[in-house]
Amino acid sequence: DAGVIQSPRHEVTEMGQEVTLRCKPISGHDYLFWYRQTMMRGLELLIYFNNNVPIDDSGMPEDRFSAKMPNASFSTLKIQPSEPRDSAVYFCASSSAQGVTESNQPQHFGDGTRLSIL
Amino acid sequence: AQSVTQPDIHITVSEGASLELRCNYSYGATPYLFWYVQSPGQGLQLLLKYFSGDTLVQGIKGFEAEFKRSQSSFNLRKPSVHWSDAAEYFCAVVPIYSSASKIIFGSGTRLSIRP
Repeated sequence: DAGVIQSPRHEVTEMGQEVTLRCKPISGHDYLFWYRQTMMRGLELLIYFNNNVPIDDSGMPEDRFSAKMPNASFSTLKIQPSEPRDSAVYFCASSSAQGVTESNQPQHFGDGTRLSIL
Repeated sequence: AQSVTQPDIHITVSEGASLELRCNYSYGATPYLFWYVQSPGQGLQLLLKYFSGDTLVQGIKGFEAEFKRSQSSFNLRKPSVHWSDAAEYFCAVVPIYSSASKIIFGSGTRLSIRP
């Protein structure tokens, strides 16, 4: 089975530019999560979707960050304008809700996008 | 405040030696507990999880973890490590019956293997 697919794997761009990160979740999964990982702050949840609807975006750092999920098989995380402090590895993860609660379902992670803002 | 603590930032063990990675949590009730592994350049992969029942949980790659309520711990163990086990290990918790967005990851323990 194909796992969570993220693109690009690496992105280097100059500050002020728009950056778009892409994610294809595992087919059949109805939860999608975006994380950011840095040495200083570890793994942070930015936003998550359920059935393509954003449920909790309280982790999104600023208005410069936005995320969309136009359909069950695709999501984007956009940064506009980008800043050097946005440099990090961004992970997408998906999971399925089985049973009473989704919180006990493990998340399946993509390999991440390593973003460098110069 | 709810928290997850992995007290060891970096551990080095010899190949073939036993391993124990520590994880402690602070919650009002027993949460759902997970261990993930992250190899360089890759995402996190689930090793094992605990929800209820038998407090000794078996996972993939020969790992196991033991839940100890009295100590609020969920330590990860492996009887004999292999060089391929070198990676970063994350403990994670989710409060029971809460939203998935409440997942909290520990700061991670980096495991190095001595030949």
